[in-house]
Amino acid sequence: NAGVIQTPRHKVTGKGQEATLWCEPISGHSAVFWYRQTIVQGLEFLTYFRNQAPIDDSGMPKERFSAQMPNQSHSTLKIQSTQPQDSAVYLCASSFGQRNSDYTFGSGTRLLVI
Amino acid sequence: AQKVTQTQTSISVMEKTTVTMDCVYETQDSSYFLFWYKQTASGEIVFLIRQDSYKKENATVGHYSLNFQKPKSSIGLIITATQIEDSAVYFCAMRENTEGADRLTFGKGTQLIIQP
Repeated sequence: NAGVIQTPRHKVTGKGQEATLWCEPISGHSAVFWYRQTIVQGLEFLTYFRNQAPIDDSGMPKERFSAQMPNQSHSTLKIQSTQPQDSAVYLCASSFGQRNSDYTFGSGTRLLVI
Repeated sequence: AQKVTQTQTSISVMEKTTVTMDCVYETQDSSYFLFWYKQTASGEIVFLIRQDSYKKENATVGHYSLNFQKPKSSIGLIITATQIEDSAVYFCAMRENTEGADRLTFGKGTQLIIQP
């Protein structure tokens, strides 16, 4: 079991460019979550999927952020027209989807927008 | 809406001692789940221990245990016989036990420094 795999580990983009982050959840986990971590805000919920279906995107900044889960083996988080304030560590986590289930986190993607 | 607060920003203790990290939470639900996670210097976040609100017994896993005080909405993490490798940031999190409440809400974390 390789755990939750996130790629790339680091990404540097210029202001206004697009960034796509990838996540491969643990096989058999039905829920996939995206969080953003910064020093100031801590761990912020962005969005999540259950059995590939989008359930809650209430944490997603509108307009520029989008997430998809085209199949059970991967999810993507896309940020269009990146801004310096988007710089953060983006974390993907998966779980069995039960309310007492803990998360398994990926190693994160550190995004730097310059 | 649920809220999790960790008031201790940083704690420093000597190796082999016992440390307690505080966490208080807010929820309208009578049933919920509380979690503690550890984030190492490399950035890896790992699950440590869980407390179910309907259980009166404090959860224990290895040298981690919880001090669950439901009337005070408090869930402290106790680490006994601390080791250098316990140095990390510790996050408290909760999830309500209601339909649709699938995501975890995290506190801001407490940095633990173990001194030799």
